[in-house]
Amino acid sequence: EVQLVESGGGLVQPGGSLRLSCAASGFAFSGYWMHWVRQVPGKGLVWVSRVGAAESDTDFADSVKGRFTISRDNGKSTFYLRMNSLRPEDTAVYYCARGGPYKYDAQDHWGQGTMVTVSS
Amino acid sequence: QSALTQPPSASGSPGQSVTISCTGTSSDVGGYNYVSWYQQHPGKAPKLMIYEVTKRPSGVPDRFSGSKSGNTASLTVSGLQAEDEADYYCSSYAGSNDLKFGGGTKVTVL
Repeated sequence: EVQLVESGGGLVQPGGSLRLSCAASGFAFSGYWMHWVRQVPGKGLVWVSRVGAAESDTDFADSVKGRFTISRDNGKSTFYLRMNSLRPEDTAVYYCARGGPYKYDAQDHWGQGTMVTVSS
Repeated sequence: QSALTQPPSASGSPGQSVTISCTGTSSDVGGYNYVSWYQQHPGKAPKLMIYEVTKRPSGVPDRFSGSKSGNTASLTVSGLQAEDEADYYCSSYAGSNDLKFGGGTKVTVL
């Protein structure tokens, strides 16, 4: 059974940093694109970032480019979202999701989400 | 990186059909056959319902179907059931460095 478990969310002050983790199990992690998608409570889904099998293959939404980095540890079946220079508008539930072997594949499994609150 | 356009709401009686549209541009929906649809119940994670415009993952009822014409994709739910009441989001591959979601459509079963 495919499982994705996020961790690392919490309350952080504006300008602060946070690292989210997503632990995967039940599939051959190293062969899949992995994504972060966020959702302000009561609002829609917004794609944040993705990382390919090769850690150098990464993409970011314009709203987070230059502030967020994404990485993965295939040995631990875990990928990460490092969030720097956080802003109140980054407040959201952050979901990790599994893509497929190709960048254009849909996200077929999702974690339950971790809440990030940026506030003083 | 503008979002795809969906109607905010749609509704139908049990047994009826409802169709949700998702309008983009030639750089996303119109340019690729990589449109997906997700169902999200309150407080839950999204669930993939349709991928690559028309394909259903294993376990998704065949009451759910997808299509595309030009820059607009559509999700049709036939034979509406109470458990279909949820938010639905479309998504489209938008090139090598982007992925877009729609704003979401709340489906109400009357």
